[in-house]
Amino acid sequence: SQQGEEDPQALSIQEGENATMNCSYKTSINNLQWYRQNSGRGLVHLILIRSNEREKHSGRLRVTLDTSKKSSSLLITASRAADTASYFCATDAGGSEKLVFGKGTKLTVNP
Amino acid sequence: DGGITQSPKYLFRKEGQNVTLSCEQNLNHDAMYWYRQDPGQGLRLIYYSQIVNDFQKGDIAEGYSVSREKKESFPLTVTSAQKNPTAFYLCASKDTGELFFGEGSRLTVL
Repeated sequence: SQQGEEDPQALSIQEGENATMNCSYKTSINNLQWYRQNSGRGLVHLILIRSNEREKHSGRLRVTLDTSKKSSSLLITASRAADTASYFCATDAGGSEKLVFGKGTKLTVNP
Repeated sequence: DGGITQSPKYLFRKEGQNVTLSCEQNLNHDAMYWYRQDPGQGLRLIYYSQIVNDFQKGDIAEGYSVSREKKESFPLTVTSAQKNPTAFYLCASKDTGELFFGEGSRLTVL
């Protein structure tokens, strides 16, 4: 079962623009995480936000969490061609040890 | 350097053969995971282990088996019972919520 669903499935922008990706989930969570995957590679952890947090920043990344709407967003500011990758949200589905991933958003940043 | 090592990176198998994918970590993490990824899809959990000599089925365990005899190692066997084994397999370990992934193993059944 997939807990998180990202939106949009694909996003194409120009370098310097901001990219926003959204994630919706179904059950209560303890935390939500965002990961990045370059084509054919493993995933890399970007940021974790806990259920009692509403916003978190890391460099050019800004993550928000709205537990009442069961949704999160990832904003990448001033995007670069090197940001081209797929981005996944993952939730712990009620605090279990299992992390459940969505299908991802494929971001293309054109130089 | 610390990390997760998966091998082989590419593997070809004939139908009816079992294959074992290796996953080794030197991060001293207790929990380890195996995920399957199909093209354009997210990750689906196959098996996970929270401690040595213990493991639990994930969402798509049928046709797969694992062992956890050592903290550092969590091999995955794809058996002939797995109907559609061609996929990208990712191993990960967990530390306080964050997953650390290997570079994956791509299995193709001929």
